[in-house]
Amino acid sequence: DADVTQTPRNRITKTGKRIMLECSQTKGHDRMYWYRQDPGLGLRLIYYSFDVKDINKGEISDGYSVSRQAQAKFSLSLESAIPNQTALYFCATSENRGYFTDTQYFGPGTRLTVL
Amino acid sequence: GEDVEQSLFLSVREGDSSVINCTYTDSSSTYLYWYKQEPGAGLQLLTYIFSNMDMKQDQRLTVLLNKKDKHLSLRIADTQTGDSAIYFCAESMEDSNYQLIWGAGTKLIIKP
Repeated sequence: DADVTQTPRNRITKTGKRIMLECSQTKGHDRMYWYRQDPGLGLRLIYYSFDVKDINKGEISDGYSVSRQAQAKFSLSLESAIPNQTALYFCATSENRGYFTDTQYFGPGTRLTVL
Repeated sequence: GEDVEQSLFLSVREGDSSVINCTYTDSSSTYLYWYKQEPGAGLQLLTYIFSNMDMKQDQRLTVLLNKKDKHLSLRIADTQTGDSAIYFCAESMEDSNYQLIWGAGTKLIIKP
């Protein structure tokens, strides 16, 4: 079984709809991240969470919100989707070693299309 | 601010060596990473190098770090069709709470 799972894998929605993307991990990691990937732009960090009570905005948080329901679950919401949020979204996890960053482990991605 | 730059494409012949380059701007990097993204998949860590090293070798992969020029490279020897992927360079810095700063990715295209 995959260590980091994302649901759904693909989603097509309409402008103005509320969308939730979910991420679950079995790695026991404290840190979780949401990124979006656009062609030619690489990965951009949307939100990250260092533990259940810690939520931080990333580079491009406008239009998004997150919820860390448990250590293993981190969901990303688009309250009112717009076409320029069409992208590939990745969840990632890493350990908290306290003194340097760690390998990030990625989910398979969710391809979101907003019409 | 911090910036990590890579060429968007690299085309090599099967069996040749591939060299993917990356430049970064912040000299306080602690670790530098190479991740691989195969078509339709998430990113997987390929290798990493600590900033006080200048070379790391792992089978067909060689990572070279030139701290003076802030240049990182990934060499893949005897490139195979299975190496076709997008390769991302990333750096982590103590100053940014160890968040990763990502390059845009280099798509490696293998010619027969």
